[in-house]
Amino acid sequence: GESVGLHLPTLSVQEGDNSIINCAYSNSASDYFIWYKQESGKGPQFIIDIRSNMDKRQGQRVTVLLNKTVKHLSLQIAATQPGDSAVYFCAEGAQTGANNLFFGTGTRLTVIP
Amino acid sequence: DVKVTQSSRYLVKRTGEKVFLECVQDMDHENMFWYRQDPGLGLRLIYFSYDVKMKEKGDIPEGYSVSREKKERFSLILESASTNQTSMYLCASSLNRPQPQHFGDGTRLSIL
Repeated sequence: GESVGLHLPTLSVQEGDNSIINCAYSNSASDYFIWYKQESGKGPQFIIDIRSNMDKRQGQRVTVLLNKTVKHLSLQIAATQPGDSAVYFCAEGAQTGANNLFFGTGTRLTVIP
Repeated sequence: DVKVTQSSRYLVKRTGEKVFLECVQDMDHENMFWYRQDPGLGLRLIYFSYDVKMKEKGDIPEGYSVSREKKERFSLILESASTNQTSMYLCASSLNRPQPQHFGDGTRLSIL
């Protein structure tokens, strides 16, 4: 999940298992959501996005689920690989108005070989 | 693929110096953004721009200014650097709203 503290939440998974990373967003007016992956020493990399008219979207080995009722977003990674080790964070925004995104602080995923 | 290039990966400056951070994107994106990233605080928006010569304040603009003279280039300026501006600075760009923002690899700035 997301944290506002100094220490990131961490998730450790065995290679080959599925990973689920959670995010609670705050603004009920947000209708656009993105997941990013950030590896050490690099900028955030776009993984997948979803609009509020959907509750599920799939990409390559990743699935994002959106539950608007409880303002919850999750990222599922299938068959997690060592290269998936990184910090993952969600961002929320609006489809109209400013293209500003509001970012969570992230979850550190560690894949154990 | 979108390419966002930040001119320096690491930069060390002294208190009181004027510091320029440069960012260039090669995909003709309308929107460009500057963030800083600090442990436990996530990404915080400093300034953004929707078009050439246009700029808007983000959440933490104090002590910073920006310049966008050309569509592909967005510069962040620290007018008089202070130690509390030591941070990772990330530039991003996006095509339209809503679209994902694409990030550069960041400039780690240390102010001594």
